[in-house]
Amino acid sequence: QVLLQESGPGLVKPSGTLSLTCAFSGGSISSSTNWWTWVRQPPGKGLEWIGEIYHSGTTNYNASLKSRVSISVDKSKNQFSLKLTSVTAADTAVYYCARVASSSWFYGMDVWGQGTTVTVS
Amino acid sequence: DIQMTQYPSSLSASVGDRVTITCRASQSIGRYLNWYQQKPGKAPEFLIYAASILQSGVPSRFSGSGSGTHFTLTIGSLEPEDFATYYCQQSDSMPRTFGQGTKVEIK
Repeated sequence: QVLLQESGPGLVKPSGTLSLTCAFSGGSISSSTNWWTWVRQPPGKGLEWIGEIYHSGTTNYNASLKSRVSISVDKSKNQFSLKLTSVTAADTAVYYCARVASSSWFYGMDVWGQGTTVTVS
Repeated sequence: DIQMTQYPSSLSASVGDRVTITCRASQSIGRYLNWYQQKPGKAPEFLIYAASILQSGVPSRFSGSGSGTHFTLTIGSLEPEDFATYYCQQSDSMPRTFGQGTKVEIK
């Protein structure tokens, strides 16, 4: 069974750094047809794409967060991580990690973690 | 950034009703359009990709259509488990933007 599980502190102080890890089981994070992504959802609001990483380390970030965000991959542990610096209350959200299935003609987030709530206070 | 606009923002419907949700892109995205379903307190679930292809395991009462800038998600006959919020998402370009969501509520 393919699973993603987020972990990390649920409370971060303003101006601090949010750090989350997503562990993947049931497959390899080095799959050639997958990217790995982070999405967040502020309380009562919609979904915001944060960024994504390929097993090679290639990343794409949302420009609105680019100066503060970093995504990395640890193939030996089959996991990837998110760091968001200089956080404010506006970064309070449920953070989801997800697997992206992709090819030349489609791209979709087909497996999601359960989500982890991060509060900045 | 490509802006995705869904409408309606919410709707009330009964079990057995046919429901259609519209998603418009601010510029052409071909068929790089996905649909997700999210229930309260849960992660989104992947429903449809490439505008009209059902993800494995998704019931056939769900269907998607469209290309370019205009897309629709149709639920042929609402079941109790379909009451949820639905999001479209474009994957044509960065950043991968979502619509604001359409909440399907019980009438």
